[in-house]
Amino acid sequence: ILNVEQSPQSLHVQEGDSTNFTCSFPSSNFYALHWYRWETAKSPEALFVMTLNGDEKKKGRISATLNTKEGYSYLYIKGSQPEDSATYLCAFQTGANNLFFGTGTRLTVIP
Amino acid sequence: GAGVSQSPSNKVTEKGKDVELRCDPISGHTALYWYRQSLGQGLEFLIYFQGNSAPDKSGLPSDRFSAERTGGSVSTLTIQRTQQEDSAVYLCASSPTPGVGGQYFGPGTRLTVL
Repeated sequence: ILNVEQSPQSLHVQEGDSTNFTCSFPSSNFYALHWYRWETAKSPEALFVMTLNGDEKKKGRISATLNTKEGYSYLYIKGSQPEDSATYLCAFQTGANNLFFGTGTRLTVIP
Repeated sequence: GAGVSQSPSNKVTEKGKDVELRCDPISGHTALYWYRQSLGQGLEFLIYFQGNSAPDKSGLPSDRFSAERTGGSVSTLTIQRTQQEDSAVYLCASSPTPGVGGQYFGPGTRLTVL
């Protein structure tokens, strides 16, 4: 079992604040790094899949960066909105089969 | 189009009973995955199916767990002689091409073993 760590475990921010959280993963046997958003009572939804060191992806107010050499990825949310409240999961992929998930960062945006 | 569906959405069972959880992947997706999330834990890989290849069962926690995929589509995860530690949310995901791009998750089945 590979160790994928996410921090913080949870955070509360005010509407309009920008925030970021971290995913740490092994720096060897890297294939891809995934970010998912999991809203309560819904299915996890893929946000980004990143494969190259230095990759930066953006989707609206959400962006992510990747450093495969040091084994971390950051997820940024600019101008948080209440609808951004969810658990954000990262997953480390070593091959075609397995994703190793972190425990997630639970974000609550306070109106 | 239709996403991944799972049934039942909730299942409460007594310790020692067998349960079956069903997953209908997105049509045409060749890869199908089962995961579970126990309280306070991350998503844990259980089993992976790809086309007609032998499944990757490396994540199944014990021989009480088994899964099959019929006709390359619907999958059933069976847990025999359930234990309280089996209580978790069981998620199914599918993808059109294994190992490429994100996975599409179903809504999950919340299993509670009393």
